[in-house]
Amino acid sequence: GQNIDQPTEMTATEGAIVQINCTYQTSGFNGLFWYQQHAGEAPTFLSYNVLDGLEEKGRFSSFLSRSKGYSYLLLKELQMKDSASYLCAVGTGTASKLTFGTGTRLQVTL
Amino acid sequence: EADIYQTPRYLVIGTGKKITLECSQTMGHDKMYWYQQDPGMELHLIHYSYGVNSTEKGDLSSESTVSRIRTEHFPLTLESARPSHTSQYLCASSDPFDRPNTGELFFGEGSRLTVL
Repeated sequence: GQNIDQPTEMTATEGAIVQINCTYQTSGFNGLFWYQQHAGEAPTFLSYNVLDGLEEKGRFSSFLSRSKGYSYLLLKELQMKDSASYLCAVGTGTASKLTFGTGTRLQVTL
Repeated sequence: EADIYQTPRYLVIGTGKKITLECSQTMGHDKMYWYQQDPGMELHLIHYSYGVNSTEKGDLSSESTVSRIRTEHFPLTLESARPSHTSQYLCASSDPFDRPNTGELFFGEGSRLTVL
């Protein structure tokens, strides 16, 4: 099976930078995904890493180290609308099955 | 923009009733999924499908059943609902081809079920 760990809650200030870490243990690794989920809404896709390194997409970047079973999501220039849960998910096999972590609830304050 | 729809959005029913949660997508995706999520908790995969006439159970045991008679339609059925089935059910689909980002899931808005 898969084991995915990420912090439960984080707080950061508007305009700041925050890094949300995710560690995982899995077999048949097929990619590491980050999703954003606002309260009461469905998750939306943020990023995908299958090779080691940093993927940058606007204010959001995601990093992967497969040998360490480690990823992080970096959010820059935080905005109030970034307050949400950030879900780390590991893909396995060819069926694009994703196993989700419990999510990190990020609170952005003034 | 994703085109995946779930109905009903909210449902309150009594114990013992049979219910079907509908999920339809217009993107031509072969792969479809049902996730269950309790408030503040992680998503658990309960069913998935590779394509028409293909259904598999997910990582979390569920008393629900699914069918895939048409590519665009993946309904979930509970024959006899119980209070323990109270949860949010999220349907998702993903791109049919094996290429980068193939695992990106497009989610419906969810069906919030309450069983009294």
